[in-house]
Amino acid sequence: GQQLNQSPQSMFIQEGEDVSMNCTSSSIFNTWLWYKQDPGEGPVLLIALYKAGELTSNGRLTAQFGITRKDSFLNISASIPSDVGIYFCAGQPPTDSWGKLQFGAGTQVVVTP
Amino acid sequence: DAGVTQSPTHLIKTRGQHVTLRCSPISGHKSVSWYQQVLGQGPQFIFQYYEKEERGRGNFPDRFSARQFPNYSSELNVNALLLGDSALYLCASSLGQGFGQPQHFGDGTRLSIL
Repeated sequence: GQQLNQSPQSMFIQEGEDVSMNCTSSSIFNTWLWYKQDPGEGPVLLIALYKAGELTSNGRLTAQFGITRKDSFLNISASIPSDVGIYFCAGQPPTDSWGKLQFGAGTQVVVTP
Repeated sequence: DAGVTQSPTHLIKTRGQHVTLRCSPISGHKSVSWYQQVLGQGPQFIFQYYEKEERGRGNFPDRFSARQFPNYSSELNVNALLLGDSALYLCASSLGQGFGQPQHFGDGTRLSIL
């Protein structure tokens, strides 16, 4: 099952508002990744974080790798209708199973005009 | 450049049957991972292959198997299908299996078991 706790489960926001979501874990990760998934498609990589404390932006998206290496958050500023979708956090554990990403359950974002 | 491609896009099978799903990684990528995504949940790791060898396995029964070919494409096989195997099966590729090489996903194969 899921080992990452992602919150909130869903959020309904108005166009132009900022969005914030986070992910926590009971174990540490070497890498945190944020993906967006639209209906009928696979997850698309938004931001990759590789160092504790790292703050990285991609356009209106900003994500941070928590100092404890057990959490991460994603902010979306000035939301627009195309931000609708499900956002997933994923962690890569510090083991030799580099390919084994662990995912949160997702945050569904709905943007109303 | 083409992303990760998966085939078929949709598949309907009945219980007890066998299925083979296929994945072609991004050109130059040597690592392929497979995930199962049940409706309403995040993807669950099944396998990782790198340089044609299995490098990681998730908590799935032996009915699930995979392989990687010399051109780095991959197949996921599932035997004795159960209703609970109905899911979106995602393939992801990365340059290698080391630190700093994020995975990029295909659009998946939607498998329905009747």
